[in-house]
Amino acid sequence: GNSVTQMEGPVTLSEEAFLTINCTYTATGYPSLFWYVQYPGEGLQLLLKATKADDKGSNKGFEATYRKETTSFHLEKGSVQVSDSAVYFCALITGGFKTIFGAGTRLFVKA
Amino acid sequence: NAGVTQTPKFRVLKTGQSMTLLCAQDMNHEYMYWYRQDPGMGLRLIHYSVGEGTTAKGEVPDGYNVSRLKKQNFLLGLESAAPSQTSVYFCASIAGTGLFSNQPQHFGDGTRLSIL
Repeated sequence: GNSVTQMEGPVTLSEEAFLTINCTYTATGYPSLFWYVQYPGEGLQLLLKATKADDKGSNKGFEATYRKETTSFHLEKGSVQVSDSAVYFCALITGGFKTIFGAGTRLFVKA
Repeated sequence: NAGVTQTPKFRVLKTGQSMTLLCAQDMNHEYMYWYRQDPGMGLRLIHYSVGEGTTAKGEVPDGYNVSRLKKQNFLLGLESAAPSQTSVYFCASIAGTGLFSNQPQHFGDGTRLSIL
């Protein structure tokens, strides 16, 4: 069946460090891939998305590239800020209307 | 821009009490979902709806009921609350037609429910 696996957290970084959160997926068909972010006390919000192979989603300095050959959608940011501290969820939707979410990765950024 | 609105935001119940959580969306979305989020468990789908008048079970439907009498509203009911239902509940909606969508979900801010 369809599934999403993302790296366990928490991830702790200093401000201005480089961020990578790994995400791999298993899916039939041609999924659309998403990264969502959840700030404390809030619901999930879409951070970026990619709908086909080799697409790069980007937003607020974050990027992720849809790699079909490695079934991956790793999230990267060149220089994190304290305000990026949150939980990040990788997700996919394919051939239907149910979204499959990863378990989430908590990021702490220290000043 | 209201988006997805959940009420109430917080609630404390005693074991055995009943309550209804309301989700309202103003984006004319067809699909709506109820999730629960527990520490270390990620998001788990409780029930969902693919259109007005329809509902279906998700991964963890036991102890919950839902109704979608109007397209914009999706209600989650707990008939007899149990401590195991202490959680944060999120509603979400998604645009789409038919039985397929590749669109992202829009989430409410959650309802924090404690069952004593």
